[in-house]
Amino acid sequence: IAGITQAPTSQILAAGRRMTLRCTQDMRHNAMYWYRQDLGLGLRLIHYSNTAGTTGKGEVPDGYSVSRANTDDFPLTLASAVPSQTSVYFCASSDSPSGSTDTQYFGPGTRLTVL
Amino acid sequence: GQNIDQPTEMTATEGAIVQINCTYQTSGFNGLFWYQQHAGEAPTFLSYNVLDGLEEKGRFSSFLSRSKGYSYLLLKELQMKDSASYLCAVLDSNYQLIWGAGTKLIIKP
Repeated sequence: IAGITQAPTSQILAAGRRMTLRCTQDMRHNAMYWYRQDLGLGLRLIHYSNTAGTTGKGEVPDGYSVSRANTDDFPLTLASAVPSQTSVYFCASSDSPSGSTDTQYFGPGTRLTVL
Repeated sequence: GQNIDQPTEMTATEGAIVQINCTYQTSGFNGLFWYQQHAGEAPTFLSYNVLDGLEEKGRFSSFLSRSKGYSYLLLKELQMKDSASYLCAVLDSNYQLIWGAGTKLIIKP
C-alpha cells in the first residue's frame, strides 16, 4: 500500500452503537489527524496525534476518542453514535508534528450515516 | 472568532481563466494552503503561501496579501478535470489549520 488507507469506505450505523473507524499510513509520518467534513462547513479537526503514544483534542472532540499505539495506525472510536455524527470522516498525516507548516496528506474518507 | 470566507460556487468555461478568492480573519497567521477536492475524494495539496506575492505552479498560481487578509487561486487554461472544490486553509498563531467551506468550481464546455 502507499499513502493512507481508511476503513470502512462507508457505514450505516444505528444510534447508540459503538463504531471504530480505521486509519493506516505507510509513510512513517509522525503526525496524524482526524477531521469531519459536513456540507457547507470547512473541515473540522476532531483529534490529532503528534507522535506515537500521544494524542490531543481538536475543535470538535466530544463523542470521539482516539489512540496511537504505533506510528502507522490511528483509529477513531465513536462510543455511542448519535445522528449528528453523520458525516464524512477523513484521516490525514504529516511528516512534522501538528504545529508546523508541513503539508497534510489525506486518506480517501469514510462516509458514516447514523440513523 | 476565526473565519475563512470563500464563494460557495463558481462557474467557468473550458479554456478560460478563473480566480477563486479567500479572505480570512484568524488569530495570527503562519501560512495559507490551497487544496483541491474532487467529489467523493480526499483533498490534495495545491499550494502554500507564507510571504506576500504570487507563487506560480504550472496552470495554477496562488497569491497572498497578509495586510489585507486575502488570497486567491488562479487557474488558467481550464480543463474539465479542474471541476472540483477548492479549499482555503490558514495556519493560525497556534499552528492549527482553520479551513474554509470550499468553493465548488463547475467547468462548462
